Amino acid sequence: EAGVAQSPRYKIIEKRQSVAFWCNPISGHATLYWYQQILGQGPKLLIQFQNNGVVDDSQLPKDRFSAERLKGVDSTLKIQPAKLEDSAVYLCASSDRYSGSGNEQFFGPGTRLTVL
Amino acid sequence: GDSVTQMEGPVTLSEEAFLTINCTYTATGYPSLFWYVQYPGEGLQLLLKATKADDKGSNKGFEATYRKETTSFHLEKGSVQVSDSAVYFCALSDQNSSASKIIFGSGTRLSIRP
Repeated sequence: EAGVAQSPRYKIIEKRQSVAFWCNPISGHATLYWYQQILGQGPKLLIQFQNNGVVDDSQLPKDRFSAERLKGVDSTLKIQPAKLEDSAVYLCASSDRYSGSGNEQFFGPGTRLTVL
Repeated sequence: GDSVTQMEGPVTLSEEAFLTINCTYTATGYPSLFWYVQYPGEGLQLLLKATKADDKGSNKGFEATYRKETTSFHLEKGSVQVSDSAVYFCALSDQNSSASKIIFGSGTRLSIRP
């Protein structure tokens, strides 16, 4: 089974520029998550989708971050404008509560963002 | 709110040494507990999990037991290898939620010397 795909793997931008990340979850997984992992810290949930609806976006900085999951499959996460403190790895994960894996989440390789 | 506290690193051991990485949690419900591993240059992978008290998760020689009385889920391995060098994250998830989010600890970097 194919895993969670993310692109790009690396991105370097200057502050105040915009950037977008893409995620394709495991086929059939209804739940999709975006995490931010700052160097030396554990991943922090930014937003969680159930199909194409938002379940939890309480930690998403909505003044600059946005995310969508059209058609309940792929998702994009956008930052506009970027700040220095947004430098991090952005992880996408998916899960399927109704499969044998229970609430296990499967992670993509991440996108490493550097803001200069 | 729910939280996870794990042993700070880095931890450096010699090959074949015994490993313990401590993890404690705070949760209002009855969470599932996980250890995730991040090898250099790779994404997070589930190492093992336990879904209820006294359950023991195990994989690749690693073990962790869900201790409700001490709210702990310490990771252990009897004999580590160089290939175990990675960052290890303890995490919890509220299994009663319809779409559970995971709360991670800050990670422990493990380095194994040949």
